[in-house]
Amino acid sequence: SQQGEEDPQALSIQEGENATMNCSYKTSINNLQWYRQNSGRGLVHLILIRSNEREKHSGRLRVTLDTSKKSSSLLITASRAADTASYFCATVSGGYNKLIFGAGTRLAVHP
Amino acid sequence: GAVVSQHPSRVICKSGTSVKIECRSLDFQATTMFWYRQFPKQSLMLMATSNEGSKATYEQGVEKDKFLINHASLTLSTLTVTSAHPEDSSFYICSATHLAGYNEQFFGPGTRLTVL
Repeated sequence: SQQGEEDPQALSIQEGENATMNCSYKTSINNLQWYRQNSGRGLVHLILIRSNEREKHSGRLRVTLDTSKKSSSLLITASRAADTASYFCATVSGGYNKLIFGAGTRLAVHP
Repeated sequence: GAVVSQHPSRVICKSGTSVKIECRSLDFQATTMFWYRQFPKQSLMLMATSNEGSKATYEQGVEKDKFLINHASLTLSTLTVTSAHPEDSSFYICSATHLAGYNEQFFGPGTRLTVL
């Protein structure tokens, strides 16, 4: 089952612009993770934020987590054409290490 | 490090045949492996969780007799789609967690299954 929704479903921007993707979830979580998937390929882990963290940075990525609203956002700054991919959030809850994925956002960055 | 491979990357088969997909952790020991299915332009749906040496735990709605999972060693898990039908055509992805780690799953490149 899917944990929640991501918005937007699709995002089209120009190189150099920032891209913001949002993720909402339904249950309490241990952590939330963001992944990237290039078309027809496997997933690449981008960043993990724990339930007691509010913000995390990694290079051009910035992730926020609001547990009171059960939502997270991924910001990609100064986007590049190579950032074109689908981005998924995934949550881990309870004592199991199962990832429950959101619906994903398809990002297209145009040169 | 932390590389996961899948074989084959693509398979086309006739309806009614069985297909086996392998998932290997190449440079680490994986206590747990996960199998996901992804339909075009959709998200990943967890099918089952596989622990080495024990029976897999299937998610609700996944037929355990149709999707046989074997996790015989700390580096290999297999998914067999039995009596495949066109509706089983999908992208199957495995992931593995490191013996020494906990939170991060390392994903394989996926296997595209097409059932004619």
